[in-house]
Amino acid sequence: NAGVMQNPRHLVRRRGQEARLRCSPMKGHSHVYWYRQLPEEGLKFMVYLQKENIIDESGMPKERFSAEFPKEGPSILRIQQVVRGDSAAYFCASSPPDGSPPNQPQHFGDGTRLSIL
Amino acid sequence: AQKVTQAQTEISVVEKEDVTLDCVYETRDTTYYLFWYKQPPSGELVFLIRRNSFDEQNEISGRYSWNFQKSTSSFNFTITASQVVDSAVYFCALDQISSGSARQLTFGSGTQLTVLP
Repeated sequence: NAGVMQNPRHLVRRRGQEARLRCSPMKGHSHVYWYRQLPEEGLKFMVYLQKENIIDESGMPKERFSAEFPKEGPSILRIQQVVRGDSAAYFCASSPPDGSPPNQPQHFGDGTRLSIL
Repeated sequence: AQKVTQAQTEISVVEKEDVTLDCVYETRDTTYYLFWYKQPPSGELVFLIRRNSFDEQNEISGRYSWNFQKSTSSFNFTITASQVVDSAVYFCALDQISSGSARQLTFGSGTQLTVLP
């Protein structure tokens, strides 16, 4: 039973380019969460999605960042016109659907390290 | 608003010493989960423990033990007889149970533990 899969593991972009980060949740999980870890800091919540719905995006910057979790395929975190300050590790986590045993711990992927040149 | 404070930014110990990592949290919720995660130099997040706010019993797992004290809002983590492989950043995190949709984890800023041979 594969865990949360994130790719790529490392991503390098030049300023102004777009970055796309992918997350495939654990099998049977329908909730996806994205977190950002800036250098030397803890993880900060960005967005919480269920299939085809954004539930909570209170931690997401208002501009240039977007997230989706389509009916088929992985969740995508998209950063447009990247800047140096976007350099960070981006972690994805997943959890089972509502109605499952309550509050299963979120399972984290290994993260994508984004570097902006 | 929720907050997790890990006041110790860095700790260095010599192998075989015991070390305690502190975690203090703030929440208005009466029901919540507390977590510890380990982030080794390779960067992934390793789940260590989850504790329900109703359960104040201390827990021991091998060389690891956790002391949960609701009265002082603390959830401290002790490694006994530390080993070089324990060197990592350790994060404490808080998860609301009562909120139906906003399942974001709130992380502390982490404690960098270095175990010297």
